[in-house]
Amino acid sequence: QKEVEQNSGPLSVPEGAIASLNCTYSDRGSQSFFWYRQYSGKSPELIMFIYSNGDKEDGRFTAQLNKASQYVSLLIRDSQPSDSATYLCAVNTVSGSARQLTFGSGTQLTVLP
Amino acid sequence: EAQVTQNPRYLITVTGKKLTVTCSQNMNHEYMSWYRQDPGLGLRQIYYSMNVEVTDKGDVPEGYKVSRKEKRNFPLILESPSPNQTSLYFCASSNTGGRDEKLFFGSGTQLSVL
Repeated sequence: QKEVEQNSGPLSVPEGAIASLNCTYSDRGSQSFFWYRQYSGKSPELIMFIYSNGDKEDGRFTAQLNKASQYVSLLIRDSQPSDSATYLCAVNTVSGSARQLTFGSGTQLTVLP
Repeated sequence: EAQVTQNPRYLITVTGKKLTVTCSQNMNHEYMSWYRQDPGLGLRQIYYSMNVEVTDKGDVPEGYKVSRKEKRNFPLILESPSPNQTSLYFCASSNTGGRDEKLFFGSGTQLSVL
């Protein structure tokens, strides 16, 4: 059973601070890594994806991947109250025609005004 | 507008009464999938389909059936629902191939089995 682990939180940060969300995965064959944001009562929406070691930046969001440590993180700079949501880490493994996307249980983030 | 449409949005039923949750996408995606979301457990994959007439089990397929007779539709069937299938269900679709695949999610179906 491939596993994706996240701290469930809740994580609270003050407005303007950096929020750091972490995720570890068990399958070394994993190739793609995704961060989805889910507002309460809504469906998940993709924020970032990364598949190479290192950092990938998009506006206030930075995804970091370390395949040797099987670790992926999401940093949110200058956090805003509108960033308050649950953040889901997802890991995609492709082997031949088989494909599996495994989600973590999510980290609930609250940004305090 | 590109979208994944799920129906119904809310469903209350009784144990053993067969039901179908419909899912349709208008983006010509080959890949479609069903997930259930329960508190503390995140999204768990039920079934997925790589193309028409091709379906595979996900992590929690027991008690569910799917079919993919047309590219755009991927219904989820509960032949004999039980209370442990009370959950929030999401359908999703994406393009096949490549590693940077964004999943497009439907708006969800909240199912209660009494």
